[in-house]
Parts: sequence; C-alpha cells; structure tokens
Amino acid sequence: AQTVTQSQPEMSVQEAETVTLSCTYDTSESDYYLFWYKQPPSRQMILVIRQEAYKQQNATENRFSVNFQKAAKSFSLKISDSQLGDAAMYFCAYRSMYSGGGADGLTFGKGTHLIIQP
Amino acid sequence: NAGVTQTPKFRVLKTGQSMTLLCAQDMNHEYMYWYRQDPGMGLRLIHYSVGEGTTAKGEVPDGYNVSRLKKQNFLLGLESAAPSQTSVYFCASSYGAGVSQETQYFGPGTRLLVL
Repeated sequence: AQTVTQSQPEMSVQEAETVTLSCTYDTSESDYYLFWYKQPPSRQMILVIRQEAYKQQNATENRFSVNFQKAAKSFSLKISDSQLGDAAMYFCAYRSMYSGGGADGLTFGKGTHLIIQP
Repeated sequence: NAGVTQTPKFRVLKTGQSMTLLCAQDMNHEYMYWYRQDPGMGLRLIHYSVGEGTTAKGEVPDGYNVSRLKKQNFLLGLESAAPSQTSVYFCASSYGAGVSQETQYFGPGTRLLVL
C-alpha cells in the first residue's frame, strides 16, 4: 500500500514571501499521479496542482509550482508571493494509475496548516 | 452547474440509529467516492464506484454500505451508527481512469456527530 507523509504539521510565512511545503511518498509503482489540495476553513477541498509521474517537467499553476523528484519520491509545493487567501490546510495526495483493487481512490497525507502573517 | 453536492450538511445521531448521506454530481462523471476526515488526519477512502450499479471497498469500509443506482447519485449508509463514526464525510467524483481524467472534484462535506 502507498503512504504519503507530510512532515510539517504547521508552517508560517510572511505575506508576499515564498514558502515550500514538503511531501514524500512511498510506492512500488512507476506510474501514478500526485496532487496538492487546499482546504480553507470552509472545509471545501480545492485542487491546487497535479503532476503525472511520467512527466519530467514540474507542474506550475500561476503562483503555485511543484518540485517533483521521482527517484527521491518527493513532491514539494512552492507558493510564491503568499497572499492572505492562501491560509489553509494543504494536503498532498497520491493516486495509482492502475484501476481496481482499491487503487482508484486518493491516498492523502495528514496535511500542513499554512499560516500567512500580514 | 452545481458540481458535487452533499445532503445533509450536518447531522446528529444517537448510537444505533441509521442514516443515509446523499451525494449528487451533475458533471456526468463515471467515478464517485466517499471519504471520511478525522481531526489531524487526511481523508481516507471508505467506498467508491467506477460506474452505475458498481461499488467497491476502500481503506475503511467497515460499518458503511453504499449504493449507486443512478450515475449521478452515490449514497452512503450507516446501518447502526457508532461514536467512532463521528467525522466529516466528503463525496468526490471524477471522469475515471486515464490521463486528464483523474482529477477528483469534492463536495462541501457532511459533518456527522454520533452521541
């Protein structure tokens, strides 16, 4: 079974600064997807960014980018120019590319609480 | 286009009572999922469905049953609620397997308290 580890329960950053959230995962598969989801106090789960394991290029979405290191099984999220609205829980998630046998759901880390200091 | 909706938003049950949580999606997605989120934890998969009439167990299926009679609806049932089932329940849906179809879209969650 796959596991996802987020080693930072809480991070704090000054508004307009850059912050990096860490995520490592354990899998024996070669093909999979990785995601970062944001959960603000409203509890809504919002997709931030996704990465396909077969792509060497790191995904970017505006101020959000990832550093995907497949050999190291690391998938960190960088938030540039942090804004007050970025304050939330951030979850890293893994999904196998293979269907069936319970492989269709997401495996989540425990989350990192991001605080933005004004 | 409402996306994924969940009913109810909040519910209090007594131990031993039963209830059904309803998830509906209007995106014509094939796959639907039920997760639970407990304090200090990420979401954990309870059951999922890869199409109308199909269901499968996830990581934590005990104490729950599901049904997918219509493509757009996915029901989660608790036959005899226990305090350990106090949690926030999330429904999600996706187009299915394959590149660009993997993204799961989540509902707003249902908070369940079992006394």
